[in-house]
Amino acid sequence: GQNIDQPTEMTATEGAIVQINCTYQTSGFNGLFWYQQHAGEAPTFLSYNVLDGLEEKGRFSSFLSRSKGYSYLLLKELQMKDSASYLCAVRFMTTDSWGKLQFGAGTQVVVTP
Amino acid sequence: NAGVTQTPKFRILKIGQSMTLQCAQDMNHNYMYWYRQDPGMGLKLIYYSVGAGITDKGEVPNGYNVSRSTTEDFPLRLELAAPSQTSVYFCASSYRATNEKLFFGSGTQLSVL
Repeated sequence: GQNIDQPTEMTATEGAIVQINCTYQTSGFNGLFWYQQHAGEAPTFLSYNVLDGLEEKGRFSSFLSRSKGYSYLLLKELQMKDSASYLCAVRFMTTDSWGKLQFGAGTQVVVTP
Repeated sequence: NAGVTQTPKFRILKIGQSMTLQCAQDMNHNYMYWYRQDPGMGLKLIYYSVGAGITDKGEVPNGYNVSRSTTEDFPLRLELAAPSQTSVYFCASSYRATNEKLFFGSGTQLSVL
């Protein structure tokens, strides 16, 4: 599979901003998703990027640069409930695939008081 | 509207035993998926289905089997359980394959001892 790299863990203070980076191989790129996963729970969808630029949804924003194989998820005004793992997932198209998702290992965000 | 329902939530198997993980969705989604998630690792695709009667292998299919006799149900069968199959299993669905987000079930924690 394709490599998707994201930091293992990040710690930030309540009310602060945290940026989670995700890098991937550009060949066959066909869309990037961010999911949030609280401990012991299922992943839930946060955002989707397929074109370059910034997508904003309330306190969360996601950015994509296709030429650089780079995305970030920006979490603003951090709250304790934002403590979770954030998964970067990329859809790659190949000659024998309609484009299944490849997941990164996830970034554990710890929000401290 | 229940979404994606997975059972059981927890299960302990002995080496060599078999079991079926159940998954059902009530959203009339065409695409269904089985993932496994090991600690510190990204979600790995086991099998997927693009519609009733059609299934195909993902990244890590060995030791598993699936069937899709209806749009709603997508059970995962483990034959001859091995310790390497100890993991958290997630079923997911989407209406289409491309820019559609995945809806996940609540997961099954499986231990093979």
